[in-house]
Order: sequence, then structure tokens, then C-alpha cells
Amino acid sequence: QQKVQQSPESLIVPEGAMTSLNCTFSDSASQYFAWYRQHSGKAPKALMSIFSNGEKEEGRFTIHLNKASLHFSLHIRDSQPSDSALYLCANDSGYNKLTFGKGTVLLVSP
Amino acid sequence: EAAVTQSPRNKVAVTGGKVTLSCNQTNNHNNMYWYRQDTGHGLRLIHYSYGAGSTEKGDIPDGYKASRPSQENFSLILELATPSQTSVYFCASGDNSDYTFGSGTRLLVI
Repeated sequence: QQKVQQSPESLIVPEGAMTSLNCTFSDSASQYFAWYRQHSGKAPKALMSIFSNGEKEEGRFTIHLNKASLHFSLHIRDSQPSDSALYLCANDSGYNKLTFGKGTVLLVSP
Repeated sequence: EAAVTQSPRNKVAVTGGKVTLSCNQTNNHNNMYWYRQDTGHGLRLIHYSYGAGSTEKGDIPDGYKASRPSQENFSLILELATPSQTSVYFCASGDNSDYTFGSGTRLLVI
């Protein structure tokens, strides 16, 4: 069974700071890696995804993937109070089945 | 706009009763999923389906059944509801790493 582990469980950062969220996975054959953001009481929504080693940047958000170390991460530059949410990492080992981590609660303080 | 719609949004059930949660998608995705979300556990996969007529066990299928009568509809059935099944349930559809979640059903079993 695919395992996905996230860290930290929760995080408080000041407005304008860089936020870094981490995720490890167990299946080196995994093909799809994604971060989802979920505001309180709402549905999870895909934030960014990546398929191959390296990094991908979209605005203030950057995702890194290192398959050899079974690790991927999300970095948020110039964090804003509106970024406060539950962040979930997920990956698909190739069977169209997403496995999620337990999530990181991010609070950006004004 | 393509979407995933869940019903009901909220449900109170009695222990031992039968509960059916419904999901409809207009994304024309082949794959559909049922997850539950509990504090400290992230999203855990209960059942999923690759198409009409197919259902597969996810990571925590015990106590749940699923039904996929058509491309658009996927139901989760609790034949004998227990208090431990109190949770928020999310349905999702997905193809080619494009996943969309419904708004969730909050189930309370008393």
C-alpha cells in the first residue's frame, strides 16, 4: 500500500515569509505528484502538480520533486493570510488512485 | 461548467441504519472515488471505480459498499451504520491526473 507522509503537521508563518511544506512517498514508480489546498468547510482543490524530477513554478508557488529521495515539496513565496488553509500532498502510483498525506495546517499571520 | 455534486450535504443517521451517499459528475471522467476525511488522517480512499459497472476496494473499505450504475453516478452505501463512520465524505472524479472533488457530505451517526 502506497504511503505518503507530510511534515510539519501545522505551521505558523508571518505575512511575507517563505513557507515550505514537505512530503515523502514510498513507491519510487509513482508518476503524479500534487499539492491540494483545502479551505475550512470546502472541497480540496488541486494547486500544482508535477510528473518528472525537477521543479515547477507558478506565480508564488514552486513544487520540487526528487524521486531518488522519495521527496517532494511545496514552497510559497511572500505568504499571504489568504494562503491559510489545509495543504494536502498526494501521489498516484500509476493506477489512477490518489493517495494523500495527512495534511499540514498553515496559518499566515498578518 | 463541469462539476461533481454530492447529496445530501448533511445527514444524521441512527446506528444500524442504512445510509446512501450519492455523487454525480458532469466531467465525463472514467474514474470516480469516495474518500473520508477525519482530523489527523487526511483523505482516505474507501472505494473507487474505473467505469460504469466497476467498483474497487480502496484502503479502508470495511463497512462500506459502492455502486457505479452509470458513467455519471457513484454511490457509497453504509448497510449498517456505526458511530465510527461519522465523518466528512468526499466524492471525486478524475482522468489523466485531472481530479475534481465534490463539496462533501457531513455524516453523523448517533
